Amino acid sequence: DGGITQSPKYLFRKEGQNVTLSCEQNLNHDAMYWYRQDPGQGLRLIYYSQIVNDFQKGDIAEGYSVSREKKESFPLTVTSAQKNPTAFYLCASSITGPNTEAFFGQGTRLTVV
Amino acid sequence: AQSVTQLDSQVPVFEEAPVELRCNYSSSVSVYLFWYVQYPNQGLQLLLKYLSGSTLVESINGFEAEFNKSQTSFHLRKPSVHISDTAEYFCAVSDQTSGYSTLTFGKGTMLLVSP
Repeated sequence: DGGITQSPKYLFRKEGQNVTLSCEQNLNHDAMYWYRQDPGQGLRLIYYSQIVNDFQKGDIAEGYSVSREKKESFPLTVTSAQKNPTAFYLCASSITGPNTEAFFGQGTRLTVV
Repeated sequence: AQSVTQLDSQVPVFEEAPVELRCNYSSSVSVYLFWYVQYPNQGLQLLLKYLSGSTLVESINGFEAEFNKSQTSFHLRKPSVHISDTAEYFCAVSDQTSGYSTLTFGKGTMLLVSP
């Protein structure tokens, strides 16, 4: 089945550590996105990418980094510079264009301990 | 830049009652409009979208939304809800002039359906 796979589903991190969240899609979509969800805050855009080896900052990119070495993969690294990393992280993909549907993964819940 | 306001953070309703979830947006450019649904600890699923044409759009599970340009609204309605409709609902917009599907979301409305 086509879809977006995020792993792991739950992740615990100690303060000061970097951690990488995985996102893989087999929908042959060019565009991929990372959103952060906090209770009562909706979703906020972290980074997005339209093609391999190219990506742009979203509204809350500070403390995060991404790479896009393959069309299918768009991993997100939460660095130690992110002051409040505990959140639910959602990866999405779409074909190119603002009138297209974004397909979401099941999310990764990151908790800093 | 655009923004989305969902006026109610929670909407409690009894099963088989009608419901309306409100969404207003502001934007300096034309936008496309979406409603997504999220069940607990899951990702988001598209419920319906307005791109152009008829201002009333419907989903396969009985929801409908009407685009009102003069009021900059895209309210979601269902004439009779089920327990299984309990979820969080997000209204979102995307910039028609952008080459991306970068969505701006509202803060969400939790629909709580009780027997």
